[in-house]
Amino acid sequence: QKEVEQDPGPLSVPEGAIVSLNCTYSNSAFQYFMWYRQYSRKGPELLMYTYSSGNKEDGRFTAQVDKSSKYISLFIRDSQPSDSATYLCAMRKGSGGYQKVTFGTGTKLQVIP
Amino acid sequence: GAGVSQSPSNKVTEKGKDVELRCDPISGHTALYWYRQSLGQGLEFLIYFQGNSAPDKSGLPSDRFSAERTGGSVSTLTIQRTQQEDSAVYLCASSLVAREQYFGPGTRLTVT
Repeated sequence: QKEVEQDPGPLSVPEGAIVSLNCTYSNSAFQYFMWYRQYSRKGPELLMYTYSSGNKEDGRFTAQVDKSSKYISLFIRDSQPSDSATYLCAMRKGSGGYQKVTFGTGTKLQVIP
Repeated sequence: GAGVSQSPSNKVTEKGKDVELRCDPISGHTALYWYRQSLGQGLEFLIYFQGNSAPDKSGLPSDRFSAERTGGSVSTLTIQRTQQEDSAVYLCASSLVAREQYFGPGTRLTVT
């Protein structure tokens, strides 16, 4: 079993829809959670960075962490065709010194105009 | 400021040849990472450099893979005697210590 599980999709939604992207994980030591967006033939770009449980909002994006369920989500409101990309969740255990980051396999999202 | 840059952007090589991939991290970032991304496999950690400390090589898949970081800046990932299963996108990332990683555009390696 992988430490981080993410549905690969593809997920296809109409423009303006609310998108929900999710990851589950098995290691309760993970404390820092990230979402990256990766356009085709580009490197991943950091979108959201959260610590422990709770919500964090940035514009149309909301990251949610539920440590009790070992479940994280990224919500995209009013989705746009420019949001079409692969979204990778990532997480690590601590903040001190070097901590290896574990990535999900990514969910491919297509927003149809 | 300038982001992480990688070269070449694409590389096609014959099986058995050696290849070198280059990464220029963000200026001032002391940590540098190499990852491999294959279709449906996510990001596979290869190696991590931090300042003058010994690198974490625990992700290198075989002794055909090696990496150097000169002067705490530019890094080169070398793959010797390439195999078809080495075909993937090789991504470099840099960060300040224990902070978010910033990725380069990657090098797409195809071994024929």
